[in-house]
Amino acid sequence: DQQVKQNSPSLSVQEGRISILNCDYTNSMFDYFLWYKKYPAEGPTFLISISSIKDKNEDGRFTVFLNKSAKHLSLHIVPSQPGDSAVYFCAASAWDFNKFYFGSGTKLNVKP
Amino acid sequence: GAGVSQSPSNKVTEKGKDVELRCDPISGHTALYWYRQSLGQGLEFLIYFQGNSAPDKSGLPSDRFSAERTGGSVSTLTIQRTQQEDSAVYLCASRKVGDGNQPQHFGDGTRLSIL
Repeated sequence: DQQVKQNSPSLSVQEGRISILNCDYTNSMFDYFLWYKKYPAEGPTFLISISSIKDKNEDGRFTVFLNKSAKHLSLHIVPSQPGDSAVYFCAASAWDFNKFYFGSGTKLNVKP
Repeated sequence: GAGVSQSPSNKVTEKGKDVELRCDPISGHTALYWYRQSLGQGLEFLIYFQGNSAPDKSGLPSDRFSAERTGGSVSTLTIQRTQQEDSAVYLCASRKVGDGNQPQHFGDGTRLSIL
């Protein structure tokens, strides 16, 4: 049973526009949420995180929004750049950080 | 280097052979995780080590899989009698514990191909 879901396997966006990647989770005990970016033949790289006590966290062009009542989080990239083209994974953990549950990823393609 | 190091980067072996994958975590990171990513799939949790605690092995898919972590640092993941369905990228991550919310840092993985 997948506790973290990314229902869009791919997304294509024009350079300069906003990219919105979505993630849903089922476990109400999740307390900490992260986004990772992965290029081919490389390991995932941490991008941004958010704790359940917040509903928004911003870092430069990247903003993560958390809607706890809907068990939904999203990553906004503004403006999108061709170098952002990669697979993006969302992940979640309960307060103990013993396990991190990952979604299946969304492949973002930013067209020049 | 400062990152998580995994070796080998690629491994091709025949079905039925044993393989050993190595992970060198970031110095000072007491938590270590192994994941598997099959083609077109997400990251599948395998095992988690934290300090001297008993590891969480709940993700290991069969008793052919085992892992150990010596001296709280380097970890090896062993797959015995490999099967074709074991073909995947095996990723290791480490994490600093006890300093607030800290993310995992991943190595580049070992791409395992079973012929």
